[in-house]
Amino acid sequence: NAGVTQTPKFRVLKTGQSMTLLCAQDMNHEYMYWYRQDPGMGLRLIHYSVGEGTTAKGEVPDGYNVSRLKKQNFLLGLESAAPSQTSVYFCASSYIGLARNEQFFGPGTRLTVL
Amino acid sequence: AQSVTQLDSHVSVSEGTPVLLRCNYSSSYSPSLFWYVQHPNKGLQLLLKYTSAATLVKGINGFEAEFKKSETSFHLTKPSAHMSDAAEYFCVVSDQVDSWGKLQFGAGTQVVVTP
Repeated sequence: NAGVTQTPKFRVLKTGQSMTLLCAQDMNHEYMYWYRQDPGMGLRLIHYSVGEGTTAKGEVPDGYNVSRLKKQNFLLGLESAAPSQTSVYFCASSYIGLARNEQFFGPGTRLTVL
Repeated sequence: AQSVTQLDSHVSVSEGTPVLLRCNYSSSYSPSLFWYVQHPNKGLQLLLKYTSAATLVKGINGFEAEFKKSETSFHLTKPSAHMSDAAEYFCVVSDQVDSWGKLQFGAGTQVVVTP
């Protein structure tokens, strides 16, 4: 089992460019999440999905879009990147969404927007 | 509403000495509480979790945490620090009522271990 994988690991964008981050999990988890991590702020939820074909906004959704066309994949898109989106992005998944179930995290994508 | 406060942003310990990372939480319902560890340039790994069973929770790598409802605390401890414990630690709370497992992260505690 690879667990949760993220592509790419690093990326540098210019302001206004677009990109898509890919998250894949092989644990047959229903729930998937995208977070961003900024210094001194812990992780903040961007968007999440409770199943194939469904997505919802988290705490900081502005400037991002997501899609969950397949159960195992969760894509995070930046349509027009801004320097404020410079961050480390983590994807996570969980078997079911109940609070007691842990979330499994990917290794992260470090994004710099110039 | 749920929130979590990690009382120390940085902790420095000598190898072989005890480690204490402090966490206070706020929750409207019966919470689940977690500690995650993040080593440099890595993803987050679960150390331990409390889900309304035993109040003293043992995790991996010799870590344990005690849930104290009266103090709304969930402090993480380890009797003897190892160099490999140098990492960032996150205390996380989740209300049991949330059907989709929303996690609220603390700001993190950076642990430095000196020889």
